[in-house]
Amino acid sequence: EAQVTQNPRYLITVTGKKLTVTCSQNMNHEYMSWYRQDPGLGLRQIYYSMNVEVTDKGDVPEGYKVSRKEKRNFPLILESPSPNQTSLYFCASRGPGQGHYGYTFGSGTRLTVV
Amino acid sequence: GENVEQHPSTLSVQEGDSAVIKCTYSDSASNYFPWYKQELGKRPQLIIDIRSNVGEKKDQRIAVTLNKTAKHFSLHITETQPEDSAVYFCAASQSNFNKFYFGSGTKLNVKP
Repeated sequence: EAQVTQNPRYLITVTGKKLTVTCSQNMNHEYMSWYRQDPGLGLRQIYYSMNVEVTDKGDVPEGYKVSRKEKRNFPLILESPSPNQTSLYFCASRGPGQGHYGYTFGSGTRLTVV
Repeated sequence: GENVEQHPSTLSVQEGDSAVIKCTYSDSASNYFPWYKQELGKRPQLIIDIRSNVGEKKDQRIAVTLNKTAKHFSLHITETQPEDSAVYFCAASQSNFNKFYFGSGTKLNVKP
């Protein structure tokens, strides 16, 4: 089944403790992206990647890092999480064969930073 | 950067009625406009999209219209059903499809 897989689904952590949210897609998509969703703000793009080793900032990149060492994986790294990074995070990918140009989203990771 | 505004934030309709959600965008370079549906606790899923070279696109009970001059686009759902209840997001992107800018969402409630 074609899908975008994120882990973990839920995560509670403490301020300053480094964490990584993993994302993997099995559709051979070139483009991948991370979004955060907050009430009343919709989805905001954190980072995106056009291919292996090619990444760029979205609208809200502060406090986040990404890497794209393999085409299928696009982890999101929070080096020193803060409470304002408490949010619902979605990984997404897009590529040919979908019938559209938009992103296909993973199931989400709900992060709480205390 | 692009600014996408979406209205209304909540919409309640009776089953069988039509629902319309409107979005405006600020960057005239935007030319791709997808709509996503997000059911409670689920991921956003693309339900319909439109490119700027067309003014309207339909898929069964849903349609999207685009007015490039006025920089607004709308989602139309006819003969609404309870399973249409969800949060709907509009989005805008330029032709490189790298950055997508989302509206703040509309919570649609279809009453049986």
